[in-house]
Amino acid sequence: DTAVSQTPKYLVTQMGNDKSIKCEQNLGHDTMYWYKQDSKKFLKIMFSYNNKELIINETVPNRFSPKSPDKAHLNLHINSLELGDSAVYFCASSQGAESTDTQYFGPGTRLTVL
Amino acid sequence: SQKIEQNSEALNIQEGKTATLTCNYTNYSPAYLQWYRQDPGRGPVFLLLIRENEKEKRKERLKVTFDTTLKQSLFHITASQPADSATYLCAGILTGGGNKLTFGTGTQLKVEL
Repeated sequence: DTAVSQTPKYLVTQMGNDKSIKCEQNLGHDTMYWYKQDSKKFLKIMFSYNNKELIINETVPNRFSPKSPDKAHLNLHINSLELGDSAVYFCASSQGAESTDTQYFGPGTRLTVL
Repeated sequence: SQKIEQNSEALNIQEGKTATLTCNYTNYSPAYLQWYRQDPGRGPVFLLLIRENEKEKRKERLKVTFDTTLKQSLFHITASQPADSATYLCAGILTGGGNKLTFGTGTQLKVEL
């Protein structure tokens, strides 16, 4: 009965590869997010979707492409991986898109680029 | 520039004492601040939200204050327990930030027996 789940939990890959991280929420929420947490534990938003529409798109390299096939899923595809992409990526969801709506985070995906 | 800052040094306290963590904001006035807890290897978990017109908010052993004069929020855990050991993050919306939550870097709390 996991609320927000991500796969895989760990991802180790070589520079230049393309990889995807999947996220699913079973809370019935309308809004989903991707965050990046770097080695200094700084958590920064990357993208947000509300009802499958992109509503937040931070200054992120266009190698990162989110896709929301439906309200319950938000996947993150990364092309041409670079060393600096190594981080923990968190998916989150909230009932609505208001900033006061509580966000529920997934367990994270630790990406290591070699 | 606008900032949300937390003391990056770890806080070690003895079990049973009150832990106090600080979140300072500069160059803007948030309408509210949120506090989250993050355990190693896990995602943040929402704890409390306090609005600028609320001086204090409580939830069980947790208490959050918001001081617009000092431009800070304090997060207190009373009767702390080793299970309270975690990193605590504060977050807010910067002016012009739309609905994007900006997080502080978090303060690691360790409660010792």
